[in-house]
Amino acid sequence: EAGVTQFPSHSVIEKGQTVTLRCDPISGHDNLYWYRRVMGKEIKFLLHFVKESKQDESGMPNNRFLAERTGGTYSTLKVQPAELEDSGVYFCASSQVGGLNTEAFFGQGTRLTVV
Amino acid sequence: DAKTTQPPSMDCAEGRAANLPCNHSTISGNEYVYWYRQIHSQGPQYIIHGLKNNETNEMASLIITEDRKSSTLILPHATLRDTAVYYCIVRLITGANNLFFGTGTRLTVIP
Repeated sequence: EAGVTQFPSHSVIEKGQTVTLRCDPISGHDNLYWYRRVMGKEIKFLLHFVKESKQDESGMPNNRFLAERTGGTYSTLKVQPAELEDSGVYFCASSQVGGLNTEAFFGQGTRLTVV
Repeated sequence: DAKTTQPPSMDCAEGRAANLPCNHSTISGNEYVYWYRQIHSQGPQYIIHGLKNNETNEMASLIITEDRKSSTLILPHATLRDTAVYYCIVRLITGANNLFFGTGTRLTVIP
């Protein structure tokens, strides 16, 4: 069974440009999460989808970040326009809905460098 | 909003047991203790979780004190591949995975 996959693995863009990160969750997982670690800081929660609906977007830093999950399958996270402080590693995770004790499975992350 | 306290770093000799402590003195009755780890350049990896009983799986054991205010993650025979940052996280029983990672403990397994 495929795990959570993220694309691209690395991205280097110039300040002011737009970048779109993609996450494919584990098949059947309705919960999808985005996290990020900026340089020298802790891993921080960004937002949570249940299927195509945003359940919690309290961690989104500002309106330059837009997450979508059309159709409730894969998700994209767009940064427009990118700033230097957006550099870091962006992780996606997925988990099953319902029941107790559902752990999250993380992807390998996308390393974003804004220059 | 940190709910757990962990030592910033620990060393462990290869082949020995690694015991990683975590304090969660404000844990509530409906919160689990979860452990994740992040090996360099990889995504966080789930290890184990528990509510109030000790738990064991193929990766580790989790010992939770009777008052649930602290716990210890035990890697019984540490290998070099266990070198990672280990995160102790409290999470609501029915909560989503909006996890607060904190700073974790950087475990270095020494040959």
